[in-house]
Amino acid sequence: QVHLVQSGAEVKKPGASVKVSCKPSGYTFTGYYMHWVRQAPGQGLEWMGRINPSSGGTNYAQKFQGRVTMTRDTSISTAYMELSRLKSDDTAVYYCARGGYGDYTFEYWGQGTLVTVSS
Amino acid sequence: SSELTQDPVVSVALGQTVRITCQGDSLRNYYGSWYQQKPGQAPVVVIYGKNNRPSGIPDRFSGSSSGNTASLTITGAQAEDEADYYCNSRDTSGNHVVFGGGTKVTVL
Repeated sequence: QVHLVQSGAEVKKPGASVKVSCKPSGYTFTGYYMHWVRQAPGQGLEWMGRINPSSGGTNYAQKFQGRVTMTRDTSISTAYMELSRLKSDDTAVYYCARGGYGDYTFEYWGQGTLVTVSS
Repeated sequence: SSELTQDPVVSVALGQTVRITCQGDSLRNYYGSWYQQKPGQAPVVVIYGKNNRPSGIPDRFSGSSSGNTASLTITGAQAEDEADYYCNSRDTSGNHVVFGGGTKVTVL
């Protein structure tokens, strides 16, 4: 059974960085892209980017280019998403999701990590 | 274009049929996937590909596609179907993923 477990909630000040982890189980970590999606309070889903856990290659949404870094540690089968220069409108729930059909269908999601940016 | 457009709000009477649409240029090349999200929960995929339902998704959910429009149909809507529904696909470049803005479905 596939599970994705994310790190806990974070509170950050504007200008700081946050790093969220995602540890999947139940499948071969390097076999599927890992995507990151966020959802601001009361808002829709927003794709941030993806990482190929096998090669480490990444694709980022243009909106986050220069501020987001997705990495992985294959030794512990964990993916990470780091967002820098945080602003108040980065307050959101951040999800990791495993790529599936077409690598844009997400059948498995983490539980979400609430990141609050506040001074 | 990297946008997918959905109607913000749709309502349906209990037991009736509702169709939710998603429009975008990329849907000419990619099927839309559909997600149901209830408050405080992660999204759940209900339809993907031409018209595929993951295990556990009721068969009252179905998908279709025509031109630049993907559709999700709920036939015989139940109270538990009240939720936000999102479509997604790749964008027109094929390198990124895009989501629609979401449709809030109310079951009356």
